[in-house]
Amino acid sequence: EAQVTQNPRYLITVTGKKLTVTCSQNMNHEYMSWYRQDPGLGLRQIYYSMNVEVTDKGDVPEGYKVSRKEKRNFPLILESPSPNQTSLYFCASSPKINYGYTFGSGTRLTVV
Amino acid sequence: AQSVTQLDSQVPVFEEAPVELRCNYSSSVSVYLFWYVQYPNQGLQLLLKYLSGSTLVESINGFEAEFNKSQTSFHLRKPSVHISDTAEYFCAVSDGQAQKLVFGQGTRLTINP
Repeated sequence: EAQVTQNPRYLITVTGKKLTVTCSQNMNHEYMSWYRQDPGLGLRQIYYSMNVEVTDKGDVPEGYKVSRKEKRNFPLILESPSPNQTSLYFCASSPKINYGYTFGSGTRLTVV
Repeated sequence: AQSVTQLDSQVPVFEEAPVELRCNYSSSVSVYLFWYVQYPNQGLQLLLKYLSGSTLVESINGFEAEFNKSQTSFHLRKPSVHISDTAEYFCAVSDGQAQKLVFGQGTRLTINP
């Protein structure tokens, strides 16, 4: 089944403890992206990648890192999480520019 | 820079009634427009998109949206809604320069029996 897989689905962590949210797609898509969803704000793009080793900042990149060493994987790294990063995170992938993204099921992160 | 405004945060309607979810965008270049749907506790699914050509686009489950360049709008409509349409709907715009897809704030559609 063609899909974008995120792990974990739920995560509670403490301020300052480094964490990684994994994202993998099995559709050989070139484009991948990370979004965060907050009530009343919709989805905001954190980082995106147009191919292996090519990444760029979205609208809210502060406090996040990404890497794209392989085409299928696009992990999101929070080096020192803070409570304002408590949010619902979505990974997404797309085969071509403007084709439309396929989204993962989401990761609900709580930082206390 | 692009931006998207969804004019209603919540829309309650009765089952089998028509519905319109409004979306306006701003962009200085040609745009590509999308509607996504998010069912409770799920990720987003692409509902329909406008890239070029006919300004009226349709989805497989009865929704349609019309691109209006002069009014910079991309409103989503359905002539008769069902309980299963209860979800949050997001309008999104891209200028085609990169995969920078900008989303609106979302409209929560609630269907009452």
